[in-house]
Amino acid sequence: EDQVTQSPEALRLQEGESSSLNCSYTVSGLRGLFWYRQDPGKGPEFLFTLYSAGEEKEKERLKATLTKKESFLHITAPKPEDSATYLCAVQSLETYDKVIFGPGTSLSVIP
Amino acid sequence: DGGITQSPKYLFRKEGQNVTLSCEQNLNHDAMYWYRQDPGQGLRLIYYSQIVNDFQKGDIAEGYSVSREKKESFPLTVTSAQKNPTAFYLCASSIDPQDLTQGFQPQHFGDGTRLSIL
Repeated sequence: EDQVTQSPEALRLQEGESSSLNCSYTVSGLRGLFWYRQDPGKGPEFLFTLYSAGEEKEKERLKATLTKKESFLHITAPKPEDSATYLCAVQSLETYDKVIFGPGTSLSVIP
Repeated sequence: DGGITQSPKYLFRKEGQNVTLSCEQNLNHDAMYWYRQDPGQGLRLIYYSQIVNDFQKGDIAEGYSVSREKKESFPLTVTSAQKNPTAFYLCASSIDPQDLTQGFQPQHFGDGTRLSIL
């Protein structure tokens, strides 16, 4: 069964304190892995798509990386405006009409 | 600006009542989706549609119904059979996931409807 887990469940950082969020997945053939950002009371906002192990994508203070079993979202020198819930999702080659979402990591960046 | 519009933002349901959540998109996307989000859980798929007049059940379809009469619209009805309807409901759209000619595109989301029981 396709499955996505994320850790930690919640993360509290001081402004400027870099860290990483983890997404572990089990899927029968990966078609793509997505990262989204979700602010309270809003819909998820797309950040990155990763397709194959070794791939990296960057956007401002965020960098996403992918291995065969995990993806990491690295946050460098975070600012309070980076506070949000970060969702990871995968799409398999077999069930490409569906996307499986993880529970998310709630990030708080304290000034 | 192209996007997905969900309405209302907040909705209250009385016992035994059916309520309908609206979702409209102007992205010219073929596929549309409904998800339910509960605290501490990932988004769970309720229904999805890849073409007008056709839709499929997701993982938690019981107590819900949908229609897809127009490409732009995919309303969700929460029926009285859904005994625990309190949640945040999200609508999404994408290009047809079977269409690989445009490259791989993610799902785009609306800003959700929060449904509560009175």
